[in-house]
Amino acid sequence: EAGVTQSPTHLIKTRGQQATLRCSPISGHTSVYWYQQALGLGLQFLLWYDEGEERNRGNFPPRFSGRQFPNYSSELNVNALELEDSALYLCASSQQEGRTILTDTQYFGPGTRLTVL
Amino acid sequence: QQPVQSPQAVILREGEDAVINCSSSKALYSVHWYRQKHGEAPVFLMILLKGGEQKGHDKISASFNEKKQQSSLYLTASQLSYSGTYFCGTHNYGQNFVFGPGTRLSVLP
Repeated sequence: EAGVTQSPTHLIKTRGQQATLRCSPISGHTSVYWYQQALGLGLQFLLWYDEGEERNRGNFPPRFSGRQFPNYSSELNVNALELEDSALYLCASSQQEGRTILTDTQYFGPGTRLTVL
Repeated sequence: QQPVQSPQAVILREGEDAVINCSSSKALYSVHWYRQKHGEAPVFLMILLKGGEQKGHDKISASFNEKKQQSSLYLTASQLSYSGTYFCGTHNYGQNFVFGPGTRLSVLP
């Protein structure tokens, strides 16, 4: 069974540009989560999508946005990139459905390393 | 509100035991434990949902206290493969899901 996949592996942008990161969940999983992990820091929760809807959002500015497609894959968009957006962006998926509380195992993808110059 | 993890770092010899704590000032819906090795994605260890619950597999176990404000992860007879950073993730009532800052565990031969 294929795991969570993310693309691209690496992404280099300049300040002010937009970045789009993609995630494909494990087959059968309907929930997708996005996390930011800056160098040497912990995991910061960004967004949780389930059945195409945004279920929960972390404390990030509106220029961080995303969506989930009918096939449950997801995109994370970061507009007006700033230097401090440089980080590893991790996507995770789970079978969690239609609830507001995270109670299921999350399986993480390998991440996209975003570098903002 | 980010949970507090302690200790921040711990160094063990192979075969020694360790306890990592995760606490919140408010009651929690759930506590999730993950381990992340350097350069790799986090890997799920276990989830606790009920006050007083204890779970475990192999030599790694965890507990969730009755008030659901603290969880502890127990690593017994540590192996070299246990090295990594351990994160607890918590979901507070009315709050977002959030991970703790992590505990760096190093197991030496």
